[in-house]
Amino acid sequence: GPKVLQIPSHQIIDMGQMVTLNCDPVSNHLYFYWYKQILGQQMEFLVNFYNGKVMEKSKLFKDQFSVERPDGSYFTLKIQPTALEDSAVYFCASSRTGAETLYFGSGTRLTVL
Amino acid sequence: AQKVTQTQTSISVMEKTTVTMDCVYETQDSSYFLFWYKQTASGEIVFLIRQDSYKKENATVGHYSLNFQKPKSSIGLIITATQIEDSAVYFCAMRETNSGTYQRFGTGTKLQVVP
Repeated sequence: GPKVLQIPSHQIIDMGQMVTLNCDPVSNHLYFYWYKQILGQQMEFLVNFYNGKVMEKSKLFKDQFSVERPDGSYFTLKIQPTALEDSAVYFCASSRTGAETLYFGSGTRLTVL
Repeated sequence: AQKVTQTQTSISVMEKTTVTMDCVYETQDSSYFLFWYKQTASGEIVFLIRQDSYKKENATVGHYSLNFQKPKSSIGLIITATQIEDSAVYFCAMRETNSGTYQRFGTGTKLQVVP
């Protein structure tokens, strides 16, 4: 089936540093999402993105977070600066339309020390 | 307020039996979409089955089926003839047509299938 690729699979950084998580969505998908999962628990919505713009963001999407997808390249989540509470697995997802099934990447495990 | 609720934290069943996982949701929208996903031990998340609110017939895909009870705002996932490899965490999700632009997930139910 369609695949979403996330790079890297693991990232360890020191608190206060910047980190960029990369996502290569399914090629014909138009909607992109980031979700945060802590300890294999609930998938928490962070932000979604369509037509070059953020559609909606949750309270978890702090001012230190930003997303972009310059010219059809990777859909990225940048955190600057990072905090200890940012440690989690971040999942990227994409969908063809806003109401369709989400296809998830395998996640990036971020550890902030 | 929690809009998607899965009250069963963990379930253990014998192989080849049938299991039902519960999910209730809250919405003011008249139109919405309901999904079930499975997260394996490796962390991979895969889509299983969906139900559109306007459809009366329960969705079925392979050995997965749904018990959609709209008046109760309930969408149960039924797995028949369970297999060891069905062991995973199952998430219910809802996408409202008017009130939201993303899928809201429940807290998940961990299913263990034992031989």
